Amino acid sequence: GAVVSQHPSRVICKSGTSVKIECRSLDFQATTMFWYRQFPKQSLMLMATSNEGSKATYEQGVEKDKFLINHASLTLSTLTVTSAHPEDSSFYICSALSGGGTGNSPLHFGNGTRLTVT
Amino acid sequence: DAKTTQPTSMDCAEGRAANLPCNHSTISGNEYVYWYRQIHSQGPQYIIHGLKNNETNEMASLIITEDRKSSTLILPHATLRDTAVYYCIVRGYSGNTPLVFGKGTRLSVIA
Repeated sequence: GAVVSQHPSRVICKSGTSVKIECRSLDFQATTMFWYRQFPKQSLMLMATSNEGSKATYEQGVEKDKFLINHASLTLSTLTVTSAHPEDSSFYICSALSGGGTGNSPLHFGNGTRLTVT
Repeated sequence: DAKTTQPTSMDCAEGRAANLPCNHSTISGNEYVYWYRQIHSQGPQYIIHGLKNNETNEMASLIITEDRKSSTLILPHATLRDTAVYYCIVRGYSGNTPLVFGKGTRLSVIA
């Protein structure tokens, strides 16, 4: 089955620093990847849609200058949390679309990155 | 907003079938019904999806009513490892459509 690898699984950083999270599709090419955020006891919230070779599309309320997304290849998308603050502490999850690129193609998810900003 | 309604929580005895209902009364003709689950502190895991026919794979069965306004996910022999939050999601035909997650059903499998 399609595998999405996300790294790191856990990161602790100091307030004001930046953190990069990588999302890779290991055995398929993904022209589109999605980034989600999940706070404790809440559901996943879509942050942005990442398309290979073009600028990401951000959901309302998500700061594009704070959450930098780069999708430079068909197998890699990165999310950089810039100038992180404690309120950015969350569980960040990426997903990638496999198959023919229609609604009949499942999204596959990485195992998430637990970010803690101290 | 999520287009589905699910019970907040359910219990199931280990070894019994777990039947998780989902209402999606506003589903349109080209939208698929997807089921995912999330075990604590992990990414969501794809289970199954369907358009209008019932579907079965190695993990579960998906029963979609004829009017497509509701569906049921069936785990035939629940184990303790099936304890998770189960999400029923309606997704459009366009490949660039993300999954919009609701609150899901927290299934607890009890020994």
